[in-house]
Amino acid sequence: GQSLEQPSEVTAVEGAIVQINCTYQTSGFYGLSWYQQHDGGAPTFLSYNALDGLEETGRFSSFLSRSDSYGYLLLQELQMKDSASYFCAVSLNSYNQGGKLIFGQGTELSVKP
Amino acid sequence: SQTIHQWPATLVQPVGSPLSLECTVEGTSNPNLYWYRQAAGRGLQLLFYSVGIGQISSEVPQNLSASRPQDRQFILSSKKLLLSDSGFYLCAWSVQGIQHFGDGTRLSIL
Repeated sequence: GQSLEQPSEVTAVEGAIVQINCTYQTSGFYGLSWYQQHDGGAPTFLSYNALDGLEETGRFSSFLSRSDSYGYLLLQELQMKDSASYFCAVSLNSYNQGGKLIFGQGTELSVKP
Repeated sequence: SQTIHQWPATLVQPVGSPLSLECTVEGTSNPNLYWYRQAAGRGLQLLFYSVGIGQISSEVPQNLSASRPQDRQFILSSKKLLLSDSGFYLCAWSVQGIQHFGDGTRLSIL
């Protein structure tokens, strides 16, 4: 079967740095994505890694190690508005084959003042 | 720019009634289209995806079906809703491999 593991919840204070880990066991792998979802809203795309290494986009960075089946999302200079659920997702096949994603169960991040 | 429209935003339906949720995408051609369901406090479960008109792949056998009558239109249907069909239904599109989601439909079954 397919599985993605990520912590269910994380708490941090404003201005701090937080890392959300994701380990996966899947039948295929074309990349690891991260999505943010605020309560009651739709998921929005944050970051994507197809190759090993670090991708940086503003305050958010994402890392992938394919040999370890592991990735993480790093959020710096936390703000109250970063309180949300964060999902990792594995692309199981190529875009032309459908671009299927399988999602983790999500990590609820609470940012405290 | 590309936009995705999904409606209605909320829906309350009795058990045994039919369902039709519609999703349309603007500003792009031949996107991959997806239907997901999300239970409260859970991750997204892929229900159906489509790589082209009339091409539907089903991921989970269940009480639902999907159709893609036009390039940028994706419809989720049921002939008879069950209580277990309650949830947050999300449509998404993809062109460059990144999926973009509509605002979702919150479906409650009574």
